[in-house]
Amino acid sequence: DVKVTQSSRYLVKRTGEKVFLECVQDMDHENMFWYRQDPGLGLRLIYFSYDVKMKEKGDIPEGYSVSREKKERFSLILESASTNQTSMYLCASSASRSSYNEQFFGPGTRLTVL
Amino acid sequence: GNSVTQMEGPVTLSEEAFLTINCTYTATGYPSLFWYVQYPGEGLQLLLKATKADDKGSNKGFEATYRKETTSFHLEKGSVQVSDSAVYFCALSDYSGAGSYQLTFGKGTKLSVIP
Repeated sequence: DVKVTQSSRYLVKRTGEKVFLECVQDMDHENMFWYRQDPGLGLRLIYFSYDVKMKEKGDIPEGYSVSREKKERFSLILESASTNQTSMYLCASSASRSSYNEQFFGPGTRLTVL
Repeated sequence: GNSVTQMEGPVTLSEEAFLTINCTYTATGYPSLFWYVQYPGEGLQLLLKATKADDKGSNKGFEATYRKETTSFHLEKGSVQVSDSAVYFCALSDYSGAGSYQLTFGKGTKLSVIP
């Protein structure tokens, strides 16, 4: 079974801190994604990557950056956390570049910025 | 651009009731369609999918048919159980123009099933 793991289930940070969210997948998937999930807004794509060292902006990239140095690992970085970045963050991965390939999700990290 | 609209919740049903969650989409290409489910405290997992018009996806008693003429992918289950209580997301996958495919999600429908 595909497994996507995220470094923390819950995280509390202060405004202005630099925050790293880590995601690891164990199925050699090419594509990896970061979403944030907010009540009433569903899932919104922040960034995605279809290869090592490649990244593409999603719908809401402002205030975030990403890093993909190894195929299995995709990191989301909040350079200077703000309270409006309090949210649930979900990582996902998928194989190849095909419309019908499903994305596999991690359990999520609930980030609170005080 | 692409968009997915699904019925707003929350939806509360008694056990063994019939479930329908409506989903319609707008897409510029020929998308694949998905239903994902999120149980409390967990990430999303694929429930079912359909990749072309008139395909029916099914899993765990849930079904949805890809209707191109009405741009719909409604989720149905004949008899819900308490264990079906979760948030359900409709999604489409279409070419992003960046060498990959992206999912566009609806806002989710929370289902609560009471004994």
